[in-house]
Amino acid sequence: QVQLQESGPGLVKPSETLSLTCTVSGDSMRTYYWSWIRQPPGKALELIGYISYSGRTNYNPSLKSRVTISVDTSNSQFSLTVKSVVAADTGMYFCARDDTVGYFDSWGQGLLVTVSS
Amino acid sequence: IQLTQSPSSLSASVGDRVTITCRASQDIKKFLAWYQQRPGKAPKLLISSASTLQSGVSSRFSGSGSGTDFTLTIGSLQPEDFATYYCQQVNGFPYTFGQGTKLDIK
Repeated sequence: QVQLQESGPGLVKPSETLSLTCTVSGDSMRTYYWSWIRQPPGKALELIGYISYSGRTNYNPSLKSRVTISVDTSNSQFSLTVKSVVAADTGMYFCARDDTVGYFDSWGQGLLVTVSS
Repeated sequence: IQLTQSPSSLSASVGDRVTITCRASQDIKKFLAWYQQRPGKAPKLLISSASTLQSGVSSRFSGSGSGTDFTLTIGSLQPEDFATYYCQQVNGFPYTFGQGTKLDIK
């Protein structure tokens, strides 16, 4: 059974770069897409983007100018960077497996990221 | 594509049958999922393609609809069902979620 685990700093200063990593275990990364989803406190879920095993990416246009998702297949990891963060980037960040249709069938436990000086 | 869920919150009792509605701003055929999120936890996929129950999910949960109007029905509520429920469309990118329906105990 696949497991996903987010890691990274829980506190980032405004204008700096947020960097998170998701480690995948229990299954191959092939044949799926790998996504980042965030949830501001008390609000709904927002897809940030996804990456395929081969490295093809697709980003939410609302964040595209500030976001990069990369994959390290040798270590079964994929990563998220968000540049020039502001307070509105505060929230829970989840990594998730996309079955390639767009349904997220496995999720990490989430990581709370706070943007504050 | 905007998804609007109703109601935003709902109080019910153990054993009740409840229905949550999700309306899309345009035709999304049957490209809709439902998720359950318990406090402090990640969402869990319950239903995909509007009505396909995921493996291991209780048959108390059922989904229906197509086009712009969809429903999630939970028959005979159990204590573990009190959570927030989200719909999600995958007909067009970016995939989007509804604002959520919080189901709590009356």
